[in-house]
Amino acid sequence: AQSVTQLGSHVSVSEGALVLLRCNYSSSVPPYLFWYVQYPNQGLQLLLKYTSAATLVKGINGFEAEFKKSETSFHLTKPSAHMSDAAEYFCAVSDPVNDMRFGAGTRLTVKP
Amino acid sequence: EAQVTQNPRYLITVTGKKLTVTCSQNMNHEYMSWYRQDPGLGLRQIYYSMNVEVTDKGDVPEGYKVSRKEKRNFPLILESPSPNQTSLYFCASSKGTGDKSPLHFGNGTRLTVT
Repeated sequence: AQSVTQLGSHVSVSEGALVLLRCNYSSSVPPYLFWYVQYPNQGLQLLLKYTSAATLVKGINGFEAEFKKSETSFHLTKPSAHMSDAAEYFCAVSDPVNDMRFGAGTRLTVKP
Repeated sequence: EAQVTQNPRYLITVTGKKLTVTCSQNMNHEYMSWYRQDPGLGLRQIYYSMNVEVTDKGDVPEGYKVSRKEKRNFPLILESPSPNQTSLYFCASSKGTGDKSPLHFGNGTRLTVT
């Protein structure tokens, strides 16, 4: 069965600093990987997705993620944090057979 | 505008009083799903539907019912709500399941059962 582990339920960075949110997955078949963002009082929105094309995926708002098969990872990064990036971020995995499974989420705080 | 619409946004009820949370999508999506979100647990799937009249249990189906009589609607029914069903609920839809299609989410329904 597929699963996702997000390391760190809370991450705090200063404005302008690098953002790194960690995600490791488990899947018995080649996975599709997603990052979603949830702003307060809203539903989840797709940030980016990996579907077996380029391993470095660029998403909205300057975020990107790199699929590393050898490390079973799909970490999310952004070179310079902005106050508006404060939100909860969810990593998710699906594959040709299974439904999407979500990680527990990482809450990102951005300090001025 | 393509969207998933859930109603109500907030709901406070008492134990045992039947309630329905509605969900509608205007994207002609075949796949629809309900999740509950609880702190530290992420999103857990309650029920899903791959098409009209086709529904199946997710990871936490106990105490919930769903129906899919039309493609656009996928209501969540709590026949006898209990306090442990206090949670934030999300409806989502996509073109298909087990593929590359991302999910489109509603804005959520915050349910409190006293």
